[in-house]
Amino acid sequence: AQSVTQPDARVTVSEGASLQLRCKYSYFGTPYLFWYVQYPRQGLQLLLKYYPGDPVVQGVNGFEAEFSKSNSSFHLRKASVHWSDWAVYFCAVSMNTGGLSGKLTFGEGTQVTVIS
Amino acid sequence: EAGVTQSPRYAVLQEGQAVSFWCDPISGHDTLYWYQQPRDQGPQLLVYFRDEAVIDNSQLPSDRFSAVRPKGTNSTLKIQSAKQGDTATYLCASSPTGGNTEVFFGKGTRLTVV
Repeated sequence: AQSVTQPDARVTVSEGASLQLRCKYSYFGTPYLFWYVQYPRQGLQLLLKYYPGDPVVQGVNGFEAEFSKSNSSFHLRKASVHWSDWAVYFCAVSMNTGGLSGKLTFGEGTQVTVIS
Repeated sequence: EAGVTQSPRYAVLQEGQAVSFWCDPISGHDTLYWYQQPRDQGPQLLVYFRDEAVIDNSQLPSDRFSAVRPKGTNSTLKIQSAKQGDTATYLCASSPTGGNTEVFFGKGTRLTVV
């Protein structure tokens, strides 16, 4: 069965500093990977997605992620954090069989706190 | 374009009471999902539909939870006899059929069972 692990439950970062959020997945086959962000009292919003191809994918708001098959990882990065990035970030994996890409398995999430 | 709409946004129940959640997906999206997100955890899929048909409800606690999508558009998730362990946010999502498609989430219904 597929699974996702986000080893850092909480990350505190200074505004303007760089950010990396870790994600490890377990999946037999070719994974489809996603990063979502959840702002307070809001639904999940897609930051970026990986389908087999270029291992580095660009997302919204300056986020990017890098897929590594050898490390079973899909880490999220941002070069310079803004206070508006204060949110919970979820990594997710899905099978894409018959187009059912919404059957997602999520990690536990990482709470990002931005300090000035 | 309107997003996925859910109501109510909040619900507070006593144990043993029933509650229904309603979801209006994005127009034209034939696949609809219900996720349960306990506090400080990631969402977990409960059930999903393609049109009016249930594709997978294996994670739905069938003794107290039920979900329907009778006309292949709106959907209702119902909890009979709620328990404190049902306290969570219930998220609805939708997507069109086809590979490499994005899933869109609603804002969720936050349920508290006391």
